[in-house]
Amino acid sequence: EDQVTQSPEALRLQEGESSSLNCSYTVSGLRGLFWYRQDPGKGPEFLFTLYSAGEEKEKERLKATLTKKESFLHITAPKPEDSATYLCAPRREDDKIIFGKGTRLHILP
Amino acid sequence: KAGVTQTPRYLIKTRGQQVTLSCSPISGHRSVSWYQQTPGQGLQFLFEYFSETQRNKGNFPGRFSGRQFSNSRSEMNVSTLELGDSALYLCASSLNRDSSVGEQYFGPGTRLTVT
Repeated sequence: EDQVTQSPEALRLQEGESSSLNCSYTVSGLRGLFWYRQDPGKGPEFLFTLYSAGEEKEKERLKATLTKKESFLHITAPKPEDSATYLCAPRREDDKIIFGKGTRLHILP
Repeated sequence: KAGVTQTPRYLIKTRGQQVTLSCSPISGHRSVSWYQQTPGQGLQFLFEYFSETQRNKGNFPGRFSGRQFSNSRSEMNVSTLELGDSALYLCASSLNRDSSVGEQYFGPGTRLTVT
């Protein structure tokens, strides 16, 4: 059965304190993995797509990496505006996208 | 370029009623997916439409249905509403260059409350 587990569920960091969010997945025939950011009361905002193990993508203070069983979202020197829920979403071979429950990130000034 | 729009933004219905939600995708996007988001279950996939055809369906009862029009706009319908249907309903559109679902761009959602 498909499973997507994100950890930790919630994370509080001081501004400038780097950390990583984890997404462990078991899906049939992975055809890519998406990362999204969601602010309260809004729809998810697309961040990255990763297609194969070893791939890395960067955007400002965020870097996403992919292995065969996990993906990591590294946040370097975060700022308060990086506070949001980060969602991981693998895509199956039949194109269904399974979302994790997210990591709620709070950056303290 | 305009983003994904959803109407209405907020809706209050009573048990047993039915509701129709609307989604207009980004211009040029042919795939539209619908998700239900609740605090307990997170984002759950409802269905995906591509060129007016339902390509995928999640594990929801038959009370949940949808359709897509020739201009790619989509509607979803929930009949015989239950209290547990209270949720944020999100629509996402995708360009689908290679006929598979690429990165999705989400609308702001419709907040449905069933009383």
